[in-house]
Amino acid sequence: DVKVTQSSRYLVKRTGEKVFLECVQDMDHENMFWYRQDPGLGLRLIYFSYDVKMKEKGDIPEGYSVSREKKERFSLILESASTNQTSMYLCASRPTGRYNYGYTFGSGTRLTVV
Amino acid sequence: AQKITQTQPGMFVQEKEAVTLDCTYDTSDQSYGLFWYKQPSSGEMIFLIYQGSYDEQNATEGRYSLNFQKARKSANLVISASQLGDSAMYFCAMREDLTGGGNKLTFGTGTQLKVEL
Repeated sequence: DVKVTQSSRYLVKRTGEKVFLECVQDMDHENMFWYRQDPGLGLRLIYFSYDVKMKEKGDIPEGYSVSREKKERFSLILESASTNQTSMYLCASRPTGRYNYGYTFGSGTRLTVV
Repeated sequence: AQKITQTQPGMFVQEKEAVTLDCTYDTSDQSYGLFWYKQPSSGEMIFLIYQGSYDEQNATEGRYSLNFQKARKSANLVISASQLGDSAMYFCAMREDLTGGGNKLTFGTGTQLKVEL
C-alpha cells in the first residue's frame, strides 16, 4: 500500500525553538507539499516541491522553510517557533503528469507551540 | 489567484437520503482539475473523486458524483444514499498547473456533514 509517513503525530515545542517536521513517501512521486490546517480556514499551502532540491513558496510561507535533498523526503522547518504556528500540519505527494491522480496525504502532525 | 468557495460550513442529512455539497471556483486557466476529499474525525484525508476541466461527462465513483457546471464554475459533490459513516468534513480543491513545472492544490474551507438516523 502506498504511503506518506509523517514522523510525529503530536509534537509540543517551546516558543523560539527550531522545529523539524519530516515527511517521507514511498511512491517515487515528484511533487511534495506541506499544508497547515486550521478550523474555518481549510488547508493552506505553505511550500511545495516538484523535484529534488526544488522548492516553491505557497500561500503562507512566512516563518517556514523547507528542504528536499532526496526525492522521497520533504522537511518543513520552523526556524523559530511561535504560538501562532500551533496547527495541524499535513504533508502530501503526487506524481507528475497523471492528472486524475489524487494527492496522497500523511496522517498529519499536530504541533503545539507553548 | 485561484480560489475555492464552500459556502456551507455545516450540513445535516437523514440516513439514506441524498445530499449535495456546494463548491464554486475561480480561475482564468483553461486546464485545471477539481477534487473532493473526505476527512473523518480521525484526521486522514481520503480522496473521493476527480473532474478534469476538459471532461465532458460528470465524474462518478460509487455513491459519489460530481455535478460539474463549467460555465457557472461550480463542482458540487452529490452523495447518494447517505450512511452514518459519511459523517465527516468534506473539502473541495482545485489543481493548478504551473508554467515552471509542477502543480499545486488549493482548498476550500470545508463543509462538516452530519448524517442522522
